[in-house]
Amino acid sequence: EVRLVESGGGLVQPGRSLRLSCTSSGFTFGDYAMSWFRQAPGKGLEWVGFIRSKAYGGTTEYAASVKGTFTISRDDSKNIAYLQMNSLKSEDTAVYYCTRAKGYSDYWGQGTLVTVSS
Amino acid sequence: EIVLTQSPGTLSLSPGETATLSCRASQSFSSSYLGWYQQRPGQAPRLLIYGASSRATGIPDRFSGSGSGTDFTLTISRLEPEDFAVYYCQQYGSSPVTFGQGTKLEIK
Repeated sequence: EVRLVESGGGLVQPGRSLRLSCTSSGFTFGDYAMSWFRQAPGKGLEWVGFIRSKAYGGTTEYAASVKGTFTISRDDSKNIAYLQMNSLKSEDTAVYYCTRAKGYSDYWGQGTLVTVSS
Repeated sequence: EIVLTQSPGTLSLSPGETATLSCRASQSFSSSYLGWYQQRPGQAPRLLIYGASSRATGIPDRFSGSGSGTDFTLTISRLEPEDFAVYYCQQYGSSPVTFGQGTKLEIK
């Protein structure tokens, strides 16, 4: 059974950093790209970015809204994808989801809430 | 950036009826890169359809997708109580990946 579990969310002050983790199981993690999405309270879905598998260079792409402040990485030995979020702003408040990516996202974690507030 | 516009914003139907949800793109793209997701309150989204018309694993055949170019449709036949949720279309063929704003399917 494919399982994705996000962790690391919480309350953080504006300007601070936070790192989210996505621990995966039930599939060969290294064979897949991984994506991050977010959903602000009461709003729709927004793509944050993704990281390709090592077979495709392990390269990343980001939404314009987070480029330069968020970084996605992966540790294939631990089956974990990370989302490093720096210089957080109130508008980054959202539930953050990681997904297994095949272009589309066929498996989603349950999400972790990040609240940016003083 | 490809902008996706979903209609209607809210659809009110009764169980047993058929729902037709629309997703229109600001520019044409390959139907290979169009997906539909269902999100129930308090839950993560769930993939229903990929490649415009292929059902994801475990999705009942009451759900069907169609379309090409700039116009795509999700059809849900014989609505069940658990189908009342928000539905999003997504294009994943070009960066940035984008979603429609969602259609809320509510019980009439």
